[in-house]
Amino acid sequence: QVQLVQSGAEVKKPGASVKVSCKASGYTFNAFGITWVRQAPGQGLEWLGGINPKNGNTDYAQKLQGRVTMTTDTSTNTAYMELRSLRSDDTAIYYCARGMLSHCGGDCYFVSIFDSWGQGTLVTVSS
Amino acid sequence: EIVLTQSPGTLSVSPGEGATLYCRASESISSNLAWYQQRPGQAPRLLIYSTSTRATGIPARFSGTRSGTEFTLTISGLQSEDFGVYYCQQYNDRDGLTFGGGTKVEIK
Repeated sequence: QVQLVQSGAEVKKPGASVKVSCKASGYTFNAFGITWVRQAPGQGLEWLGGINPKNGNTDYAQKLQGRVTMTTDTSTNTAYMELRSLRSDDTAIYYCARGMLSHCGGDCYFVSIFDSWGQGTLVTVSS
Repeated sequence: EIVLTQSPGTLSVSPGEGATLYCRASESISSNLAWYQQRPGQAPRLLIYSTSTRATGIPARFSGTRSGTEFTLTISGLQSEDFGVYYCQQYNDRDGLTFGGGTKVEIK
């Protein structure tokens, strides 16, 4: 069965960086995308971006451009999300999810529909 | 950015009754809309995509429809495991996927 297992909780100081991992199993890693979504305490869901493991192409939410990097390691079927220059409002549960790839023309595919989710990683930013 | 407005904010329903949840898009998103359920303390779960296609393992009591930019999720005969928060999500704009603010379905 499809499983996404994320790394453990993190506590970071403002200005630091955090890197969350997401290990996938139970499916062909390159056949689906990986997306990252976060949820601040008591709030709704916020899309952060997505990556196509087949070619490494990424899409990032505009508000995080320049602070976030998403990568994958196809040798270990693991995805990573690094967020830099952390602020207190980055405190949230960070989820990875497997995503269907939608065609956007030519060789372009983007991660669109999120059909299996990791358990979430709590990232706390506090001085 | 495409804004999704969900209503109502909270829906109180008795087990066995039906529930209708709404999601209105700020502009046309074709049928590129998904619905997710999130139970307390759990990760979200995909229910429906492409407006009306049920995800694997989702029971037939969940159904989705569209009229223009207004989307509806209907749950018929609510069961105890259906209570939680429901989110809609559009994937028409690849540069800015967005979620609605959520509708909480609670036990009446």
